[in-house]
Amino acid sequence: GAVVSQHPSWVICKSGTSVKIECRSLDFQATTMFWYRQFPKQSLMLMATSNEGSKATYEQGVEKDKFLINHASLTLSTLTVTSAHPEDSSFYICSGGRPGGGNEQFFGPGTRLTVL
Amino acid sequence: GNSVTQMEGPVTLSEEAFLTINCTYTATGYPSLFWYVQYPGEGLQLLLKATKADDKGSNKGFEATYRKETTSFHLEKGSVQVSDSAVYFCALTRTPTQNFVFGPGTRLSVLP
Repeated sequence: GAVVSQHPSWVICKSGTSVKIECRSLDFQATTMFWYRQFPKQSLMLMATSNEGSKATYEQGVEKDKFLINHASLTLSTLTVTSAHPEDSSFYICSGGRPGGGNEQFFGPGTRLTVL
Repeated sequence: GNSVTQMEGPVTLSEEAFLTINCTYTATGYPSLFWYVQYPGEGLQLLLKATKADDKGSNKGFEATYRKETTSFHLEKGSVQVSDSAVYFCALTRTPTQNFVFGPGTRLSVLP
């Protein structure tokens, strides 16, 4: 099956620091990956679309200078939360689609970020 | 734009009860429809999917039928178990390169 991993699975950081979250497609190449944010007891909200080799596309209301996305290869996308604040505490989930896999997206297990 | 509406719950059932979680969608064209399940503290797991009208997705005793005429994709299970307690998300997508649109999620608690 298609597997997407995320690292770290959880992270606690101090306010003002930056945190990098990695999303890897382990057994397939994903030209497009998506980053979602999920606040407690809420649904997933799309933050941005990450395209390999080009700039990410951000959803309205998401600060591109705060949430830096890099999709350097067909198997790796990274999300960096810069100058994190407590309101950035959330569950961050990535997904990728497998070419020829139809419309199915494969989701990573998520990264829980807590900013103190 | 595309959107998904589902009953928000929480839904509390006794073990072996019948489950229905309603899901309706708004989308142009012919989206693919999905149900994902999220257990406490974990990421999303695909439960089932349907890619065209009248398709029935099924897995682990759960079923959902793609009804284009009513733009619905209701999730059903004949006899729930305690281990089914989780949050269930209905979702749609149009193409492999487009993001998923999720419903708000329905929290299910099954009591022994």
